[in-house]
Amino acid sequence: GAVVSQHPSWVICKSGTSVKIECRSLDFQATTMFWYRQFPKQSLMLMATSNEGSKATYEQGVEKDKFLINHASLTLSTLTVTSAHPEDSSFYICSAFSSSVSYNEQFFGPGTRLTVL
Amino acid sequence: QQQVKQSPQSLIVQKGGISIINCAYENTAFDYFPWYQQFPGKGPALLIAIRPDVSEKKEGRFTISFNKSAKQFSLHIMDSQPGDSATYFCAAVQGAQKLVFGQGTRLTINP
Repeated sequence: GAVVSQHPSWVICKSGTSVKIECRSLDFQATTMFWYRQFPKQSLMLMATSNEGSKATYEQGVEKDKFLINHASLTLSTLTVTSAHPEDSSFYICSAFSSSVSYNEQFFGPGTRLTVL
Repeated sequence: QQQVKQSPQSLIVQKGGISIINCAYENTAFDYFPWYQQFPGKGPALLIAIRPDVSEKKEGRFTISFNKSAKQFSLHIMDSQPGDSATYFCAAVQGAQKLVFGQGTRLTINP
């Protein structure tokens, strides 16, 4: 149980275009979803926390107008990278949390590799 | 105070040996300490986790040792295998709040 999926698994786009990444909790309802970014050989960096039906809370230094997060339902959160540039190329990972499943544990998705040309 | 410091950055162990990765934290409010295993191009997967009221937890070849007074915890991989070669992250969290990750350890098991 507690499976999280991401779509797409990888995407290549041209500079200036927007890309949407989906994160779904498949077998549980996630009250909170987290979005992380990971550069090669580095740790995961939390970008934002989103609760269903409310605005996302962004970490310091993360541009909320560039990284749009929507958590429209208890099983789906989306991250849209707007006007993507090569420096946005990274590995984006989501995680989902539900207190009914676990007090502390976040369940991670498989990640989405974004390459901006 | 929110940092989790992880060492070493990289580790090479012979097959059959013991791999040891260490982490230290400052925030005594943390109440859950998970370890994640990540293979290239994949998301992190929970390996094993411990709560601060326990000094040791073992699952198969993987053991977490926890020293509450020293604010340190470590992952021990017994009988290390080539398939264990991956990046390992320690983390800490308070309740349902943000996970704080260590910097990661790239583990290589030589056959």
